[in-house]
Amino acid sequence: DAGVTQSPTHLIKTRGQHVTLRCSPISGHKSVSWYQQVLGQGPQFIFQYYEKEERGRGNFPDRFSARQFPNYSSELNVNALLLGDSALYLCASSLDGGDGYGYTFGSGTRLTVV
Amino acid sequence: EDQVTQSPEALRLQEGESSSLNCSYTVSGLRGLFWYRQDPGKGPEFLFTLYSAGEEKEKERLKATLTKKESFLHITAPKPEDSATYLCAVQAHTGSARQLTFGSGTQLTVLP
Repeated sequence: DAGVTQSPTHLIKTRGQHVTLRCSPISGHKSVSWYQQVLGQGPQFIFQYYEKEERGRGNFPDRFSARQFPNYSSELNVNALLLGDSALYLCASSLDGGDGYGYTFGSGTRLTVV
Repeated sequence: EDQVTQSPEALRLQEGESSSLNCSYTVSGLRGLFWYRQDPGKGPEFLFTLYSAGEEKEKERLKATLTKKESFLHITAPKPEDSATYLCAVQAHTGSARQLTFGSGTQLTVLP
């Protein structure tokens, strides 16, 4: 079985631009969470979606938005990019949104803002 | 606010030299404590979940334990391939999102 798939693996954007990151969860998993990991720190929660509904949002500005599609894949959108948005963006897949099962992480998208 | 503090930040061991990593936490009702391993440029890889004080879990050279305020990851006779960053995270009962709150990790280097 394929694990959590994220695309692209790397990208470079200019300040002020917009970016879309994509995630395909493990087959059968209905929940996707997004995390931001700045170099040298642990991942920080951005969003969780379960059954296509937003279940929670971390302490991130409104420039960050996300959605989950009928096939349970997800997109994370970031507008008006800042240098400080440079990070590894991780997608985590869960069967039930973390109620009884753990999370499986993808390899991430490395975003560099210049 | 849930908080996780990991120590030490970095640890260098000789192959075969056992040691422990510490994870101190404060959380409004612990649902679960998670240990992950992360290799450079990769996503975290799940190791263990602990749910209640006194619980222990083992996997190969790793053993995780949990108290009401801390968790320890014991590494017995480590090998160079155990070199990685080890992340600890807590999940709280409160809130609708079952998000994980992570510590900053312990970067482990095992020298041959």
